[in-house]
Amino acid sequence: GENVEQHPSTLSVQEGDSAVIKCTYSDSASNYFPWYKQELGKRPQLIIDIRSNVGEKKDQRIAVTLNKTAKHFSLHITETQPEDSAVYFCALRGSSNTGKLIFGQGTTLQVKP
Amino acid sequence: NAGVTQTPKFQVLKTGQSMTLQCAQDMNHEYMSWYRQDPGMGLRLIHYSVGAGITDQGEVPNGYNVSRSTTEDFPLRLLSAAPSQTSVYFCASSLGYEQYFGPGTRLTVT
Repeated sequence: GENVEQHPSTLSVQEGDSAVIKCTYSDSASNYFPWYKQELGKRPQLIIDIRSNVGEKKDQRIAVTLNKTAKHFSLHITETQPEDSAVYFCALRGSSNTGKLIFGQGTTLQVKP
Repeated sequence: NAGVTQTPKFQVLKTGQSMTLQCAQDMNHEYMSWYRQDPGMGLRLIHYSVGAGITDQGEVPNGYNVSRSTTEDFPLRLLSAAPSQTSVYFCASSLGYEQYFGPGTRLTVT
């Protein structure tokens, strides 16, 4: 079945630096790869997503890359700001059209001013 | 639109008690899911539904029941609460891709 591993579990960067979080998966039929941001005490919210027919997608300071051959996808945040501090989750949807997502374990990002 | 709503926000139960966590959405989404969130373990899928009358198990279904009698509502029932069910519970709905999460229910079982 679907499985996703997320690394690192914690990441500390200086304001203005870049941050990269990587997820690897096992099911080659997975076709949808979203990233969620969760601030303390809040619900997860979608920040960017990519589908399996696209290799890269960018939205201002955030980008996601997908390597289907190697079965990994990554979140890139450039010019980090203190408000980027949060827990980030990768997720994936398998080939079955059920809408269910399988989540990674999460990365706690701390951006130091 | 209210989006996805959950009640209650907080709940304390004693071991062995039962209760129902409520979830409702007003976006006419077919897909609804329940997740639990524990520190260091991400969001784990408990049960999900692809439409009224259809439910299926996720990764961690034991100790929980669901039903989907309408498109709008997807309640989660704890049959006999155990301390291991202490967690934050999120309900989510989707049309197939982006999932919209409710605000969560923080449950403590003593």
